[in-house]
Amino acid sequence: DIQMTQSPSSLSASVGDRVTITCRASQSISSYLNWYQQKPGKAPKLLIYAASSLQSGVPSRFSGSGSGTDFTLTISSLQPEDFATYYCQQSYSTSCSFGQGTKLEIK
Amino acid sequence: QVQLVQSGAEVKKPGSSVKVSCKASGGTFSSYTISWVRQAPGQGLEWMGRIIPILGIANYAQKFQGRVTITADKSTSTAYMELSSLRSEDTAVYYCAVAGKEGSFDYWGQGTLVTVSS
Repeated sequence: DIQMTQSPSSLSASVGDRVTITCRASQSISSYLNWYQQKPGKAPKLLIYAASSLQSGVPSRFSGSGSGTDFTLTISSLQPEDFATYYCQQSYSTSCSFGQGTKLEIK
Repeated sequence: QVQLVQSGAEVKKPGSSVKVSCKASGGTFSSYTISWVRQAPGQGLEWMGRIIPILGIANYAQKFQGRVTITADKSTSTAYMELSSLRSEDTAVYYCAVAGKEGSFDYWGQGTLVTVSS
């Protein structure tokens, strides 16, 4: 199975900050990497698919990059509604898998 | 626009089974790939398995092999996830999700809380 490792596990930041979250795969997954945002009590929401494609309706301050084993999610200017938990997910293998999550908190 | 509506919360005894449903609307059910993902309290997301209704083929995460069964009823556009031999560690919110571009999950059900307690 492909293991996905996110860093950091938690992050404190302020409104307006630029934030980067990293996701590393245990083997190459090409660009089959997706990012989700989850708020308490809600289902995850797709932000980025195929490593760098912005899902329809998602603000352009979210961006993704990477290929192979190393990927990043960047929020260019944090807004109050962005404080949430973020997950990466690989869809390269038949058995997909998620990272452990990154909790983004207000500083 | 696909909508996924899941069945209600369940309380189960250890050793029993639970079956959660996920009814889809707004698209072509048979063309979907529907996955089940669970989230234990305060924990991350865990993929359990998927089904392709048009083929009737399911595959499962190794961790759940032998304990989970995912089925689909094309006549009612409903997918099901049955988990057997329940233990306390199976207490979680269970989500169904439809795979879209490049295997990403662009539509999710609202989640079903399954509590396993004696």
